[in-house]
Amino acid sequence: DVKVTQSSRYLVKRTGEKVFLECVQDMDHENMFWYRQDPGLGLRLIYFSYDVKMKEKGDIPEGYSVSREKKERFSLILESASTNQTSMYLCAIADSALYEQYFGPGTRLTVT
Amino acid sequence: QQPVQSPQAVILREGEDAVINCSSSKALYSVHWYRQKHGEAPVFLMILLKGGEQKGHEKISASFNEKKQQSSLYLTASQLSYSGTYFCGTEIRIGGKLIFGQGTELSVKP
Repeated sequence: DVKVTQSSRYLVKRTGEKVFLECVQDMDHENMFWYRQDPGLGLRLIYFSYDVKMKEKGDIPEGYSVSREKKERFSLILESASTNQTSMYLCAIADSALYEQYFGPGTRLTVT
Repeated sequence: QQPVQSPQAVILREGEDAVINCSSSKALYSVHWYRQKHGEAPVFLMILLKGGEQKGHEKISASFNEKKQQSSLYLTASQLSYSGTYFCGTEIRIGGKLIFGQGTELSVKP
């Protein structure tokens, strides 16, 4: 079974705080993705990584950064959290951009 | 650009059929379909590649019209377990990123 774990299911942070969301996989897949999910907007890609230390911007990278120092771990960083970053954050992995993506359970982040 | 899904929501009785459409303004290389049940992560259903055949998964199948940049997901004789939000994801080139639609919420009632 594919296992994608995210550091927290629920997180509450204050405006201006630095926030780290972590995603860990046990499948040795090259590709890892960070999405945010908002009602009526579907899944929007923030960043993705196709190899260690490699990253590419998705559709909505503003206000976010990422880090991938090890193959199994992909972190999403909110440098200074804002209320408009309140959302569900989903991590996904894939062994190739062509193939199915496996999603983690998600982190519901609330910024107050 | 985000693909457009229609309808946004649909309510069915058990045993009824449904079609969910996904349209893109760009030429597509592939279309992916996912289902997300309430409170759970999205789960892959199938992928349709440019020049490929219609795919099937039990009573759920899909087609891909490359000329119209459209895909349709067909749910036949729906079951209660089909309830959830369906997303299409489109890819405009091989190895490119997936762009997901806004989702279609499907509710199957007994």
